[in-house]
Amino acid sequence: ETGVTQSPTHLIKTRGQQVTLRCSSQSGHNTVSWYQQALGQGPQFIFQYYREEENGRGNFPPRFSGLQFPNYSSELNVNALELDDSALYLCASSTRDTAFGEQYFGPGTRLTVT
Amino acid sequence: GENVEQHPSTLSVQEGDSAVIKCTYSDSASNYFPWYKQELGKGPQLIIDIRSNVGEKKDQRIAVTLNKTAKHFSLHITETQPEDSAVYFCAATLLGNQFYFGTGTSLTVIP
Repeated sequence: ETGVTQSPTHLIKTRGQQVTLRCSSQSGHNTVSWYQQALGQGPQFIFQYYREEENGRGNFPPRFSGLQFPNYSSELNVNALELDDSALYLCASSTRDTAFGEQYFGPGTRLTVT
Repeated sequence: GENVEQHPSTLSVQEGDSAVIKCTYSDSASNYFPWYKQELGKGPQLIIDIRSNVGEKKDQRIAVTLNKTAKHFSLHITETQPEDSAVYFCAATLLGNQFYFGTGTSLTVIP
């Protein structure tokens, strides 16, 4: 086990609604990255937070936003949900205090948009 | 940006045989290449990684090789066991920022 936790485990939302997903990082880690994994695909990078600041963003629209808190936990918010947002959302915990930033993943939140 | 390709998409081997999964990357600046194992309903688990200043790394039955000139890296699993059955992902990154993942290989080990 990595020590990275995510909540909730599963979530069902309706198109147009908003959702907030949560992640607690591994002890000693100061960086959280969020990924979207569609069925049968590899994880796609959404964004990364380091010391409460966004530190890189993938090709996702602004309705995907995030926060990192002083204890390094994080939230992913998605507004105006679309059917294509149905996926497994993964957070990965790491530290920028090492040269290569090994990332350790949580179990994910399965989001279904109907 | 970086583009990572992974082959094969599915792989079936007899228990005890070896399995090899190959990935290529496009950005010569990438310097860290992890491999993840994902079991059904779980998040990816880091199983081995390699830095760009190393050509090969081994951990018990698992090994990874890196060819920087050709921009490809491979995962080798020897003496496969049924519990090795899972989806394996390769990834590439520069300094641990955005990780670029391959599309995954579904490995089935037949008892």
